[in-house]
Amino acid sequence: AQSVTQLGSHVSVSEGALVLLRCNYSSSVPPYLFWYVQYPNQGLQLLLKYTSAATLVKGINGFEAEFKKSETSFHLTKPSAHMSDAAEYFCAVSPLRGSTLGRLYFGRGTQLTVWP
Amino acid sequence: NAGVTQTPKFRVLKTGQSMTLLCAQDMNHEYMYWYRQDPGMGLRLIHYSVGEGTTAKGEVPDGYNVSRLKKQNFLLGLESAAPSQTSVYFCASSLRTGYGETQYFGPGTRLLVL
Repeated sequence: AQSVTQLGSHVSVSEGALVLLRCNYSSSVPPYLFWYVQYPNQGLQLLLKYTSAATLVKGINGFEAEFKKSETSFHLTKPSAHMSDAAEYFCAVSPLRGSTLGRLYFGRGTQLTVWP
Repeated sequence: NAGVTQTPKFRVLKTGQSMTLLCAQDMNHEYMYWYRQDPGMGLRLIHYSVGEGTTAKGEVPDGYNVSRLKKQNFLLGLESAAPSQTSVYFCASSLRTGYGETQYFGPGTRLLVL
């Protein structure tokens, strides 16, 4: 079964500080990996995704994530936080094979607060 | 190009009442999904459809039914609402499944069951 763990349900940073949101997956075969962002009272929007090409993936709004197979991780980073980054962030995995091919399994989410 | 739209945006039901949530997409996507979002739980898949006239169960299908009579629409029905179905419901669509395909989400429907 697919499993996604997001460490830290709440992360707070100061404006201009590094943002690091953690995501680990459990799968014998590395899946496709996604980060979605949800702004208040809105739907989810894709930030970036890993589909077995480059391990360092760049997304929108200055975010990037690195796939590390040895650590089964796909952590999301941004060098300098902006007030507009305050939102909830979801990591998701999509299996490459089996009956659940293509389905998304979401982590529980991390709420990012940015202090001025 | 509206993307994925959902109606209604908000609804209050009494226990035992029924309702239908409508999802529409104008991207000619084959696949459509219904999720529910609960605090601290992330999103969980209720039902999905791989094409017009087909539906399948997701992780939490009990108490819900779906229909996909037209490619662009995906309906989620609650026959007899329960307080445990209080949630935010999101519809999503994708061109196809697998191969790291991106799912595009609607703005959500907030449902309160009293």
